[in-house]
Amino acid sequence: DAGVIQSPRHEVTEMGQEVTLRCKPISGHNSLFWYRQTMMRGLELLIYFNNNVPIDDSGMPEDRFSAKMPNASFSTLKIQPSEPRDSAVYFCASSLSTSASGELFFGEGSRLTVL
Amino acid sequence: SQKIEQNSEALNIQEGKTATLTCNYTNYSPAYLQWYRQDPGRGPVFLLLIRENEKEKRKERLKVTFDTTLKQSLFHITASQPADSATYLCALAAGSARQLTFGSGTQLTVLP
Repeated sequence: DAGVIQSPRHEVTEMGQEVTLRCKPISGHNSLFWYRQTMMRGLELLIYFNNNVPIDDSGMPEDRFSAKMPNASFSTLKIQPSEPRDSAVYFCASSLSTSASGELFFGEGSRLTVL
Repeated sequence: SQKIEQNSEALNIQEGKTATLTCNYTNYSPAYLQWYRQDPGRGPVFLLLIRENEKEKRKERLKVTFDTTLKQSLFHITASQPADSATYLCALAAGSARQLTFGSGTQLTVLP
C-alpha cells in the first residue's frame, strides 16, 4: 500500500487566499484525522471522521477552517481566507477503528506558508 | 485542564547507552498510551502501544513502562545508535475515544 497520501507537500500563498489540502487515506481504513503541527503548539487534532462522518471538530480553530470527506478515499481541509498564523504543517492520518492498537498512519504532511 | 508533558525538549546521549524519555500527564484517565517517532520533514510513525492495565511492553531494543499511579510513561531505547536520533512523541487516548492527544515531543540525538 502507498500509505496515506497528502497533497500538496508545500504551499505558499498570500493572506486572504483560499487553501485546500487533500488527503487519500489507506484503503480499508475507516477513521481519518487532520492534525496541525507548529513549534509552539505541537501536534493538535483539528477534526476526526469515522466512516466519512465528522465525529469531533472541536479542534477546528474557527469558521475559516472546514473539512469534508465525501467518500472513503478522499478528504479535504480548506482554509478560507488564510492568515499568516495558519502557517504550519498539516498532517492527515488514517486508522482502522477496529484495530486493537489504535495505531495512526500519518501522511508526510502539507507545509503551508501564508505570507 | 488536561496536560501532557514530555520533559526535556532535547536529549543527547552517547552511542551504546540507554536513552530514557519521559511522558507525564495530568487530568487524564488514558485507556492506552502510544509512542511515535518523527524524523525531520516526515510524519510520525507508530512504535509501541501500552494499555492502562499493562506495566511494561517491549519491542526489540525498545521498552515502555506505564504507571497510572504516577501518571507517567517511560520510553527506553537500549544500545542506542545514531540512527535512533529523531523526535519521539507520546500520545494518549482517553476512554472510548479514538482521538489521540500528543505531547510536544523530545528530540533525541545519539552521538557516535
